[in-house]
Amino acid sequence: DIVMTQTPLSSPVTLGQPASISCRSSQSLVHSDGNSYLSWLQQRPGQPPRLLIYKISNRFSGVPDRFSGSGAGTDFTLKISRVEAEDVGVYYCMQATQSNTFGQGTKLEIK
Amino acid sequence: EVQLVESGGGLVQPGGSLRLSCAASGFTFSSYWMHWVRQVPGKGLVWVSFINSDGSSTTYADSVKGRFTISRDNAKNTLYLQMNSLRAEDTAVYYCTRDVFGAFDIWGRGTMVTVSS
Repeated sequence: DIVMTQTPLSSPVTLGQPASISCRSSQSLVHSDGNSYLSWLQQRPGQPPRLLIYKISNRFSGVPDRFSGSGAGTDFTLKISRVEAEDVGVYYCMQATQSNTFGQGTKLEIK
Repeated sequence: EVQLVESGGGLVQPGGSLRLSCAASGFTFSSYWMHWVRQVPGKGLVWVSFINSDGSSTTYADSVKGRFTISRDNAKNTLYLQMNSLRAEDTAVYYCTRDVFGAFDIWGRGTMVTVSS
């Protein structure tokens, strides 16, 4: 089974400053079809998860362009260029290359 | 509006059974793979089960294999999760979610399952 490890688990950030979350997989996420099925989700307090990024770097419909994804192989990053108050919540990476696995989640909070 | 609405959660005794439903609307349900994901309140997301678009292929997390059964009725635009031999550790909010490009793009609001005597 592929294990997804996120760092940090908690990230206090100042409004207007950037934030970065890392996600590492225990195996390469390159699928036999050439795609890497790594996505990022946001879960605001009391809400269901919301898709932000799919296939490493593709922003989902309606997601602000301050969110970006990058990486390859086993190492991936979600970046928020300028954190806004509405970005508070827990962020999860998820792999779908081999079954499905979520990272433990990273709690983003405002300093 | 594209929507998923879960129902069927509740309080059940250990060893009991429950069937969750997920009603889909606003999209062609029969064209999409679907999943169940659960979350213990205050904890992380855990994938539970997958079903392909016509129901011919299913997979399960090891923790529920042999006890849970995923199914779908494309004529009724509904996804199901039959949960048998329930344990305390199955207590969680259960979400249904749509799979597109290997990502989960639409989520319901979830239904709470509590397994307790």
